[in-house]
Amino acid sequence: DTEVTQTPKHLVMGMTNKKSLKCEQHMGHRAMYWYKQKAKKPPELMFVYSYEKLSINESVPSRFSPECPNSSLLNLHLHALQPEDSALYLCASSQDGLAAGDTQYFGPGTRLTVL
Amino acid sequence: GIQVEQSPPDLILQEGANSTLRCNFSDSVNNLQWFHQNPWGQLINLFYIPSGTKQNGRLSATTVATERYSLLYISSSQTTDSGVYFCAPNFGNEKLTFGTGTRLTIIP
Repeated sequence: DTEVTQTPKHLVMGMTNKKSLKCEQHMGHRAMYWYKQKAKKPPELMFVYSYEKLSINESVPSRFSPECPNSSLLNLHLHALQPEDSALYLCASSQDGLAAGDTQYFGPGTRLTVL
Repeated sequence: GIQVEQSPPDLILQEGANSTLRCNFSDSVNNLQWFHQNPWGQLINLFYIPSGTKQNGRLSATTVATERYSLLYISSSQTTDSGVYFCAPNFGNEKLTFGTGTRLTIIP
């Protein structure tokens, strides 16, 4: 099973709302990733968690707050977002990490609209 | 900085046609993945191919790491092949660097 699940599929929120995106995998992978993808652009890395510790933050604004409660779960907490944050948010996982030569698997994404 | 360029950017083909998509990268790769992003946004793994040639049904891929390029071949195209194809090399760090993408449209 190479499945990464994400909820919700779609999310509409106002600029004053607080919401969370959830990602789950049961492949025993120890590296998990958040990407942001704007329309007609490639995915851009936001965060990397390795063994439940944040290892990479690609200078993401603090209104995005990642959390890795355990090795199977990855959350992205959203607060005070701007309309330009509307995008497809993709979660991914890999066995140990890409530098080790692993394959990365992606979830179906959450399509976020900020009004 | 590191660059990953894909060509062509757009490709429109009749069903049954063959195509070759190219990915050029500017540095030595640790590994490379090809993905198909369907119209709903799902990124589907096609190949993990740091070097050499692999085949999976109507699809095959070749990476020539010494010359810094990879090719994806699609034969006998079907409408379900439509979408965006990304190559994503890894350069020895903890991230994939996605290419610019090729948007493929297959017309019945």
